[in-house]
Amino acid sequence: TQLLEQSPQFLSIQEGENLTVYCNSSSVFSSLQWYRQEPGEGPVLLVTVVTGGEVKKLKRLTFQFGDARKDSSLHITAAQPGDTGLYLCGNTNAGKSTFGDGTTLTVKP
Amino acid sequence: DTAVSQTPKYLVTQMGNDKSIKCEQNLGHDTMYWYKQDSKKFLKIMFSYNNKELIINETVPNRFSPKSPDKAHLNLHINSLELGDSAVYFCASSLRTKLYGYTFGSGTRLTVV
Repeated sequence: TQLLEQSPQFLSIQEGENLTVYCNSSSVFSSLQWYRQEPGEGPVLLVTVVTGGEVKKLKRLTFQFGDARKDSSLHITAAQPGDTGLYLCGNTNAGKSTFGDGTTLTVKP
Repeated sequence: DTAVSQTPKYLVTQMGNDKSIKCEQNLGHDTMYWYKQDSKKFLKIMFSYNNKELIINETVPNRFSPKSPDKAHLNLHINSLELGDSAVYFCASSLRTKLYGYTFGSGTRLTVV
């Protein structure tokens, strides 16, 4: 059972554009993490959101946790080629984890 | 000073062989994991160890056997390799406290021919 669904699956945009990717679930999570994975590397943790409605910013990246803690979004402002990668949302729970199927983002110069 | 290091980076082997992948973390984390990432980039947990004890063993063929000699190491041994075992395998570590997220290694690309 896929508990976390991400959309879109693929996104290709031009440098300078804005974008939003989504992570949705029918389950309530105590926290969600966002990771970025570059080709040939492992996922790298970007942020953890914990509180319903929470918004966290990391430079041009804005992460939001839904009020009901069932969904999250990642918004990138003025995307750059360096933002290219696979974005994964995930939940950890006492050592066990579930990951979404990822959004592959390509930012063209 | 790599945080989670796994070796080898690439592994090409024939069907039926036995192989091992090693993982070490120097972060002082108490929990280590093995994940398999398939060709569609889906990341699925295989095993989880906390303080050298197995706490999660997902539906994985018993040809896969993890071994944790100490808290900083979690190795993965695979017997009788099959074509379907081809994937990228990631080691990761974390503190048991769920809020911290995971630190991943850079992966081992296993190709079975």
